[in-house]
Amino acid sequence: SAVISQKPSRDICQRGTSLTIQCQVDSQVTMMFWYRQQPGQSLTLIATANQGSEATYESGFVIDKFPISRPNLTFSTLTVSNMSPEDSSIYLCSVGTSGNTIYFGEGSWLTVV
Amino acid sequence: GENVEQHPSTLSVQEGDSAVIKCTYSDSASNYFPWYKQELGKRPQLIIDIRSNVGEKKDQRIAVTLNKTAKHFSLHITETQPEDSAVYFCAAVGGGADGLTFGKGTHLIIQP
Repeated sequence: SAVISQKPSRDICQRGTSLTIQCQVDSQVTMMFWYRQQPGQSLTLIATANQGSEATYESGFVIDKFPISRPNLTFSTLTVSNMSPEDSSIYLCSVGTSGNTIYFGEGSWLTVV
Repeated sequence: GENVEQHPSTLSVQEGDSAVIKCTYSDSASNYFPWYKQELGKRPQLIIDIRSNVGEKKDQRIAVTLNKTAKHFSLHITETQPEDSAVYFCAAVGGGADGLTFGKGTHLIIQP
């Protein structure tokens, strides 16, 4: 399985600010995804990070709020913009290996105050 | 898009007994069905998965079954132990580069 590193692991942010989360994989992967897990809830797919093109967002998520970059096959960033307390969540980077097996990074625990 | 239903939301079993968690999916094109275990404060960990060309898969005390016709799949844990206590999520994904659609999770409690 791929080794997936996320930074930051935790952060406390002021409302109205933005935070960028980084995801680094130790090998080239075709598929990279970003998920959100709100407190006590399941995981929801935010978007698929596409290398060299704009991310594909799921219903309810927009690029202005969650801009995503993917400059190469091992790295992606997710920015949570203009944060409010409702954005307090775990944000998880995940990668898909051959055969669709999907692994998760350790997550970024965000608290917005 | 895909919709995954998971039951029960909470399951309490005596240590040593078996636990079964069930999920249904809506998209007949889905072909990969993983199960994740999430302990408090940690990321989801893949514990077992099954693909649409297989009906059952087993790994020690854990097994997963898939009924493509009925579009449901189940997680079976035998001889449960206290360390099995966690939230379990089922998920489904279709072909191509789709991400996972998750069920709402089952909080499994192992009573000593």
